[in-house]
Amino acid sequence: DIQMTQSPPSLSASVGDRVTITCRASQSISRYLNWYQQKPGKAPKLLIYAASSLQSGVPSRFSGRGSGTDFTLTISSLQPEDFATYYCQQGYNNVLTFGGGTKVEIK
Amino acid sequence: QVQLQESGPGLVKPSETLSLTCTVSGGSISSHFWNWIRQPPGKGLEWIGYIYYSGSTRYNPSLGSRLTISVDTSRNQFSLQLTSVTAADTAVYYCARDISTDDYYFDLWGRGTLVTVSS
Repeated sequence: DIQMTQSPPSLSASVGDRVTITCRASQSISRYLNWYQQKPGKAPKLLIYAASSLQSGVPSRFSGRGSGTDFTLTISSLQPEDFATYYCQQGYNNVLTFGGGTKVEIK
Repeated sequence: QVQLQESGPGLVKPSETLSLTCTVSGGSISSHFWNWIRQPPGKGLEWIGYIYYSGSTRYNPSLGSRLTISVDTSRNQFSLQLTSVTAADTAVYYCARDISTDDYYFDLWGRGTLVTVSS
């Protein structure tokens, strides 16, 4: 299986901050990398697919970059509704795997 | 607007079979890939497997031969059966849709249902 490692596991930030989350794959996955946001008690929500494509309805302050093994999710100006846990997920091979998550908390 | 809804028992005894159904409303199940994903309390996400409307499946090998996913196109439903469950199978179980063509990602999710394995 392809292992997905996210960093940091958690971070504290303030409204208006620029936040970057990293996801690293254990082998090259081209651009088959997707990002989700999950709030407590809710299902995950797709934010970014194919490394950098913004899902319909997702605010433009979210952006994704990367290819191969290293990827980032950036929130350009953190809003109150963005405090949540973020997961990356690879769609490259037969066994789909997620990163361990990054919890974004209020400073 | 397409919606997904999981249903099934919230409590299953150890060694028994966990059975869940996902009902697709507002659209047809006869396209795309339909997935099960789970999340143990306080932990991360684990992909369980998917089924195409034609019946072809792909499973997470970590679940071995315990897993069966099936589809009923006449009812617009797909189902999960997991045999010989243990406490490690306690989780929120989500059904999710994959509309991608050359990638695998989940654009639509059910609300999830908590299944507890306990005697």
